[in-house]
Amino acid sequence: GAVVSQHPSRVICKSGTSVKIECRSLDFQATTMFWYRQFPKQSLMLMATSNEGSKATYEQGVEKDKFLINHASLTLSTLTVTSAHPEDSSFYICSARGGFTGGTEAFFGQGTRLTVV
Amino acid sequence: QKEVEQDPGPLSVPEGAIVSLNCTYSNSAFQYFMWYRQYSRKGPELLMYTYSSGNKEDGRFTAQVDKSSKYISLFIRDSQPSDSATYLCATRLRDQFYFGTGTSLTVIP
Repeated sequence: GAVVSQHPSRVICKSGTSVKIECRSLDFQATTMFWYRQFPKQSLMLMATSNEGSKATYEQGVEKDKFLINHASLTLSTLTVTSAHPEDSSFYICSARGGFTGGTEAFFGQGTRLTVV
Repeated sequence: QKEVEQDPGPLSVPEGAIVSLNCTYSNSAFQYFMWYRQYSRKGPELLMYTYSSGNKEDGRFTAQVDKSSKYISLFIRDSQPSDSATYLCATRLRDQFYFGTGTSLTVIP
C-alpha cells in the first residue's frame, strides 16, 4: 500500500507554545488529507479535511484558529496546534487519499502523541 | 444513529482460533468498505478493501460485505498473537470516511 509519513511521532511541549505536525505522502499525490484526533480506546474523531491548495474544512466544534491546517502541496499537509493547553494532549493522526488506486482508500500516518505540560 | 456501528469488545481468543469481527452500517449508498488494523500507539493500517457485496480473501483474512443486511465482517483464520490489535471497519461516501469505534482483539498464545 501507499506510505504516509507523519512527524514527529511524539512531542512534549509547554503550555502556551505551538506545535507543528507534518504529514507526507511518500509515493503518491494526496489530493485530500484528513486530520483526526483519537482519545484512548475511542475511535477516530475527524477534525478537518483539506484539499491541496484550498482552505481546510473543519468539523463542527473544532477551532480553526487553534488547529491551523495547511495543505500547500500534493504531498504535504501540516497541522499546527497553536497556544497548546493540557486539554489538547491527544493522539493526532493524518490520513491521505488519492493515488494509484484511484483515491478510494485512505492511508494513515503513524500518529503523533502530543503531551502538553 | 451512527453511520457505522461496531462492538468495541474486548475480544479474547486462543491462538489458532477463527475470529469474526463485525460492523453494521446505516446508509445503503455506501459501496466502499475497509478494514484497518491499529496497534497500540500507532496509526491505522489498511488491511482489506472491498467494493459492494461479496467476499475478498487475503491470506488468513477474509472480508465480507452483505449489502442486503448492511453488514460487514472480517474473518481471521488461524489467529496469531501478532494479530492482537484494534480492528476498525470503515466505509466511504464521496470524500467522507466513516469509521467504527474499533474492536480490541487479544490472541492468547
